[in-house]
Amino acid sequence: AQSVTQLDSHVSVSEGTPVLLRCNYSSSYSPSLFWYVQHPNKGLQLLLKYTSAATLVKGINGFEAEFKKSETSFHLTKPSAHMSDAAEYFCVVSTTGGFKTIFGAGTRLFVKA
Amino acid sequence: DTAVSQTPKYLVTQMGNDKSIKCEQNLGHDTMYWYKQDSKKFLKIMFSYNNKELIINETVPNRFSPKSPDKAHLNLHINSLELGDSAVYFCASSQVEANVLTFGAGSRLTVL
Repeated sequence: AQSVTQLDSHVSVSEGTPVLLRCNYSSSYSPSLFWYVQHPNKGLQLLLKYTSAATLVKGINGFEAEFKKSETSFHLTKPSAHMSDAAEYFCVVSTTGGFKTIFGAGTRLFVKA
Repeated sequence: DTAVSQTPKYLVTQMGNDKSIKCEQNLGHDTMYWYKQDSKKFLKIMFSYNNKELIINETVPNRFSPKSPDKAHLNLHINSLELGDSAVYFCASSQVEANVLTFGAGSRLTVL
């Protein structure tokens, strides 16, 4: 069975400060893990993807995530937040083939000027 | 040149009506999906088709009927609409081995 838990429903940061969005997962198999971003009134866009290659994954817009098997975590980070980063972020776990894809509940990121 | 396009973007209708949402992808993907996003932003898969065959059918009322005339299209028809059907419906596609979903912009359904 698979599951994904996003530990914070809301995160608020100031522009220029680091971002940390936390995600824990559970999977019976070696999972594929993803982060997607959803800007207001838009569809979801892939930020980055982990599929058992390097444990530190770099994505678009300066985001990265580290896969930690011992902690079953896949936290998303960015060194310096920008106003345009304000959005909803989803952590996702998937089996091979994508047929069983589980979305986390989402974390809303607020960026203050 | 939109990758996954869905129409209409907005749909407002009365309870009891029947409505359809269309989805088309031009990425050459072999798998298409419908997701429902509720007011709390929670995303839940409804259906998945691979090469026009239904492979995932989550616990969805049978008022919802997907139809895939070909690999590039997956339409969603909803009969006897209820208030609780109000949500944003997202179409997505993927190539099976890649696992990455490409989403449409969403169709916001409001049932009055």
